[in-house]
Amino acid sequence: SQKIEQNSEALNIQEGKTATLTCNYTNYSPAYLQWYRQDPGRGPVFLLLIRENEKEKRKERLKVTFDTTLKQSLFHITASQPADSATYLCAPYMGRRALTFGSGTRLQVQP
Amino acid sequence: DAGITQSPRHKVTETGTPVTLRCHQTENHRYMYWYRQDPGHGLRLIHYSYGVKDTDKGEVSDGYSVSRSKTEDFLLTLESATSSQTSVYFCAITGQGGELFFGEGSRLTVL
Repeated sequence: SQKIEQNSEALNIQEGKTATLTCNYTNYSPAYLQWYRQDPGRGPVFLLLIRENEKEKRKERLKVTFDTTLKQSLFHITASQPADSATYLCAPYMGRRALTFGSGTRLQVQP
Repeated sequence: DAGITQSPRHKVTETGTPVTLRCHQTENHRYMYWYRQDPGHGLRLIHYSYGVKDTDKGEVSDGYSVSRSKTEDFLLTLESATSSQTSVYFCAITGQGGELFFGEGSRLTVL
């Protein structure tokens, strides 16, 4: 069966460092993959989309990579800030009727 | 702001009672979705709609029904609520690039 794995343990980093979050998936080759941010008590907010023919995508301090051989996407936040603290969800398009989401990784940036 | 409104935002009900959650959008989008979010499970698709009166099941559709009689409204009904349906429910619509825009969520507690 298709699975999406994100590190369930919270990631704690110091302000100014680069945060790297991992998303692994199995048993499928998604045409694209999306990343979302979710704050407590709020709905997820779209951040970035990367397609299978793109190795890397950037938006301001955010960078996403997509390795279709490893079946993995990495999400980087450079020069992290306490305001970046949130849960980050990856969502590969698994060919079904809608996006399938990982359970998310909580990022805590310490000042 | 994607113009999505969910109601009610919070509801407490008793086992066996019917519950209807409403999702209203002002963007005239064709695709609408209902997800539930539970600790450790992430977002799971309940039902989705690809047009007025056109709906289909997601991965966790048992115990839920939906209706879409107008483009702007997508209703999720629990015919007879159970404690396992205690969750946070999110409605979403698809943007032009394939990204999802989510509502603020409806927190349902079934006692």
